[in-house]
Amino acid sequence: NAGVTQTPKFQVLKTGQSMTLQCAQDMNHNSMYWYRQDPGMGLRLIYYSASEGTTDKGEVPNGYNVSRLNKREFSLRLESAAPSQTSVYFCASSYGQASYGYTFGSGTRLTVV
Amino acid sequence: DQQVKQNSPSLSVQEGRISILNCDYTNSMFDYFLWYKKYPAEGPTFLISISSIKDKNEDGRFTVFLNKSAKHLSLHIVPSQPGDSAVYFCADDMRFGAGTRLTVKP
Repeated sequence: NAGVTQTPKFQVLKTGQSMTLQCAQDMNHNSMYWYRQDPGMGLRLIYYSASEGTTDKGEVPNGYNVSRLNKREFSLRLESAAPSQTSVYFCASSYGQASYGYTFGSGTRLTVV
Repeated sequence: DQQVKQNSPSLSVQEGRISILNCDYTNSMFDYFLWYKKYPAEGPTFLISISSIKDKNEDGRFTVFLNKSAKHLSLHIVPSQPGDSAVYFCADDMRFGAGTRLTVKP
């Protein structure tokens, strides 16, 4: 049972480069999320998708775009990477009912130089 | 403006004793509050939740208390074990606190 799979696990980008972080879940969850974790800041929501075909901005959406490709996959794109986007990125999914919590992937550690 | 606040960045307790992790929130509209646990190099894992209509929820060694008038919740771990050493986040659905690093000493 894979749960939430994120690729890649590590990435180094140069300023201005673009890349897409991939996320897939096999639990038939309706909702998917992208967070970034920075020291002392906790987890901050970038974008989320409450259901297939919908996406909404979270707390820190600037510099990112997302695509809910199908029910399983939710990708995060950095069009022009900046050093401020150096962070650990987590994808999560849920049934959409708050009491069950989210299932997180193991994260992508991104460094922008 | 952080909606969910964990004011203690770290906590150290002795094995077998109680660990109490605290969280304050500003928005009372959410139906549930949740706690997650995170080990290094792993994603957070859901630990326990509490409905906003309850004041206590218990699951084994973990108990969460909700004080609605104070907009405060706490996670109690009894007895604490070295394997509980991790970062704990509280959350109101999609918003997370900054986390508290718990260290349980043998």
